[in-house]
Amino acid sequence: GENVEQHPSTLSVQEGDSAVIKCTYSDSASNYFPWYKQELGKRPQLIIDIRSNVGEKKDQRIAVTLNKTAKHFSLHITETQPEDSAVYFCAARSGGGADGLTFGKGTHLIIQP
Amino acid sequence: DAGVIQSPRHEVTEMGQEVTLRCKPISGHNSLFWYRQTMMRGLELLIYFNNNVPIDDSGMPEDRFSAKMPNASFSTLKIQPSEPRDSAVYFCASTPSGRGYEQYFGPGTRLTVT
Repeated sequence: GENVEQHPSTLSVQEGDSAVIKCTYSDSASNYFPWYKQELGKRPQLIIDIRSNVGEKKDQRIAVTLNKTAKHFSLHITETQPEDSAVYFCAARSGGGADGLTFGKGTHLIIQP
Repeated sequence: DAGVIQSPRHEVTEMGQEVTLRCKPISGHNSLFWYRQTMMRGLELLIYFNNNVPIDDSGMPEDRFSAKMPNASFSTLKIQPSEPRDSAVYFCASTPSGRGYEQYFGPGTRLTVT
């Protein structure tokens, strides 16, 4: 099955700086890579996703890049703000149809004022 | 739309008791997923259904766990008998028909087994 590794487990950045979270996956057949944000005590919420036919996708301050050859993808947050503080999860989905997601262990992002 | 609905939001029970968690997916979504979240193991897929049919239950930890989806608007996850190591937050998620990608999570059920 799929295995997703996520780094770092904790990331502390100054407000206004950029944050980068990296993930690797093992199944070359995986074709969908979402990123979820989870605030304390809340549900995971999708913030951005990318499919395997795209190398980069951007949505305002958030961008995701995908390198299929190396089997890794990254989340980039620019101009970080206090409300960006949360746990971020990457995930990968293999195959066709509505398969379940395999999640990374999460990154606790701390924005220092 | 009310989103994915889960009940109860919190459940505290004693070891050995039966626990039933409930989920109502978003109307029109044809796939439903059950996940478990713990500090040690993160978010794990337990089982998912497509058009009410269980497709993959390889993530169900053991025979004490069972899940059903009798119709398109309701699913249950049952643990019998419960054990302290089952303590976790259990999330249900659903996926829109025809897309099969974006998953919408419910608020979760926090289960504590003493």
